[in-house]
Amino acid sequence: ETGVTQTPRHLVMGMTNKKSLKCEQHLGHNAMYWYKQSAKKPLELMFVYSLEERVENNSVPSRFSPECPNSSHLFLHLHTLQPEDSALYLCASSQGAGQNTGELFFGEGSRLTVL
Amino acid sequence: GNSVTQMEGPVTLSEEAFLTINCTYTATGYPSLFWYVQYPGEGLQLLLKATKADDKGSNKGFEATYRKETTSFHLEKGSVQVSDSAVYFCALILYSGGYNKLIFGAGTRLAVHP
Repeated sequence: ETGVTQTPRHLVMGMTNKKSLKCEQHLGHNAMYWYKQSAKKPLELMFVYSLEERVENNSVPSRFSPECPNSSHLFLHLHTLQPEDSALYLCASSQGAGQNTGELFFGEGSRLTVL
Repeated sequence: GNSVTQMEGPVTLSEEAFLTINCTYTATGYPSLFWYVQYPGEGLQLLLKATKADDKGSNKGFEATYRKETTSFHLEKGSVQVSDSAVYFCALILYSGGYNKLIFGAGTRLAVHP
């Protein structure tokens, strides 16, 4: 496989469930990102990991918990979500310092519906 | 602060029409600028970019010129096709120690009909 792969592509969960979104990149990049895409809103940057260290956390509620066990994998753990959290969650990766090409490579997204 | 403003959509065109999607930005310094495209059911893909003033990015018949004096990066295509129907995002980049942070506009949906 190449590029950035996200699973699952679709997820429906109740407000009391615990689930996780997974992202895997096969590009040798060392920075990974979670973005939230809601209808009629700009893309919102949620978290950034660089060299497996969280370098940005944009006031995201604690019911979203990221995890980056290595430079190829990124998770978003979901717990006690609200209906307004329903959105498309996009993972991306890029080269890090010294490789400022500016290009982020995105996965196809995980469509989350919270009932 | 740093921000990107795009024209609101949807933009609806007939095949072979001329396309312009306006984008302006506010930023400290001189950021690199990008257009990303999102086809239905897919993630975002880089369409083109420009890294300094007066640079022109181009790809697949699309073009955009980095205009420092007007802080703009408008996307144009001379003759659109049905397959160009997608959402287009303008973005600027902030470089931080170790990673690139993209600031996106709200996106403009383009619908091209035969």
